[in-house]
Amino acid sequence: KNQVEQSPQSLIILEGKNCTLQCNYTVSPFSNLRWYKQDTGRGPVSLTIMTFSENTKSNGRYTATLDADTKQSSLHITASQLSDSASYICVVRHSGAGSYQLTFGKGTKLSVIP
Amino acid sequence: NAGVTQTPKFQVLKTGQSMTLQCAQDMNHNSMYWYRQDPGMGLRLIYYSASEGTTDKGEVPNGYNVSRLNKREFSLRLESAAPSQTSVYFCASSKASDEQFFGPGTRLTVL
Repeated sequence: KNQVEQSPQSLIILEGKNCTLQCNYTVSPFSNLRWYKQDTGRGPVSLTIMTFSENTKSNGRYTATLDADTKQSSLHITASQLSDSASYICVVRHSGAGSYQLTFGKGTKLSVIP
Repeated sequence: NAGVTQTPKFQVLKTGQSMTLQCAQDMNHNSMYWYRQDPGMGLRLIYYSASEGTTDKGEVPNGYNVSRLNKREFSLRLESAAPSQTSVYFCASSKASDEQFFGPGTRLTVL
């Protein structure tokens, strides 16, 4: 069964500090992995997409990594800001049969405090 | 360019009442989706429509029906609401296998 596990479930950090969120998946065959950011009371918004051949990709202060061998991804946030407080959702797409090919993680809730 | 819009934003129903959640997108996307989001459960797919004229069940379809009215609009109907359907409902759209764009959500409470 395709599964996506995220850790930690929640995290509190001080403004200006760095943090790393983890995503482990058992989705097969793998197509790509997206990280979404969901602000409170809003719908998720895509931060970045990782394909099989990509190890690292940055989007401003967000850096995603992918290790396709161990089926792990991480999202590193540098110099956190209060606006980074949100839930971060890992979504993996498989390339198998069927027109719906996504598996969602349950998300990590990040709180950045002053 | 409004993206994905959903109405209503909030709704309170009594058990047994019916209602329809509306969703529209202006990005000319082929695929549209309905999700529910509950605390600790993450986003769960209710129904999706890969293209105009087609709909398929997702992970949690029981108690819901959908209509892909045209390419732009995809509605979700609760025929007889139950307290277990209290949730936040998100509509999303995408090109075939691309990034999903989500609406702002509908917060539904069933008493």
